[in-house]
Amino acid sequence: DGGITQSPKYLFRKEGQNVTLSCEQNLNHDAMYWYRQDPGQGLRLIYYSQIVNDFQKGDIAEGYSVSREKKESFPLTVTSAQKNPTAFYLCASNIPGGDQPQHFGDGTRLSIL
Amino acid sequence: AQKVTQAQTEISVVEKEDVTLDCVYETRDTTYYLFWYKQPPSGELVFLIRRNSFDEQNEISGRYSWNFQKSTSSFNFTITASQVVDSAVYFCALSGLISGYSTLTFGKGTMLLVSP
Repeated sequence: DGGITQSPKYLFRKEGQNVTLSCEQNLNHDAMYWYRQDPGQGLRLIYYSQIVNDFQKGDIAEGYSVSREKKESFPLTVTSAQKNPTAFYLCASNIPGGDQPQHFGDGTRLSIL
Repeated sequence: AQKVTQAQTEISVVEKEDVTLDCVYETRDTTYYLFWYKQPPSGELVFLIRRNSFDEQNEISGRYSWNFQKSTSSFNFTITASQVVDSAVYFCALSGLISGYSTLTFGKGTMLLVSP
């Protein structure tokens, strides 16, 4: 079955450490997205990519970095510059276009040790 | 700038009650799309419906129905005869273009708790 796989499900970060969240999709979608979800805040866009080797900053990109070397993969790195990384992170993908629904992974919950 | 407002933070109902989740949006685009997603406790967002700005027909899918009113910029979601399995966070979202790229703006979500 096609879908989006995020790993790990839970992740802990030490102070000053970079961590990378994995997102893989086998839906053959060109566009991929990363969102951050905080309690009561809805989903906020971190980065998005509509084609390999190209990506754009979303509303809250500071302290995060991404790469898009393969169509199937869009990893997110939470750097030590992100001072409040504790949140639920969701990856999504779709066929580019405003009318196309995004499909989501199960999410990664990141906490500070 | 686009904005989606879900004024109801949390709603509690008893099973079999009808419940309506409100969504109000702001956009300057003449063509846009509205979406509803369900987020159960497992965390994954599940797509429920898409509506384009030129189609104001109401839609019904089983116990779910949606009322789109362009005049009031609203896209409300009604669950008829609610069930415990409907308990989840529901998000309304609006598509828009940023520098030629399509993105979604989400509301803050409404948590629905259906008790037996």
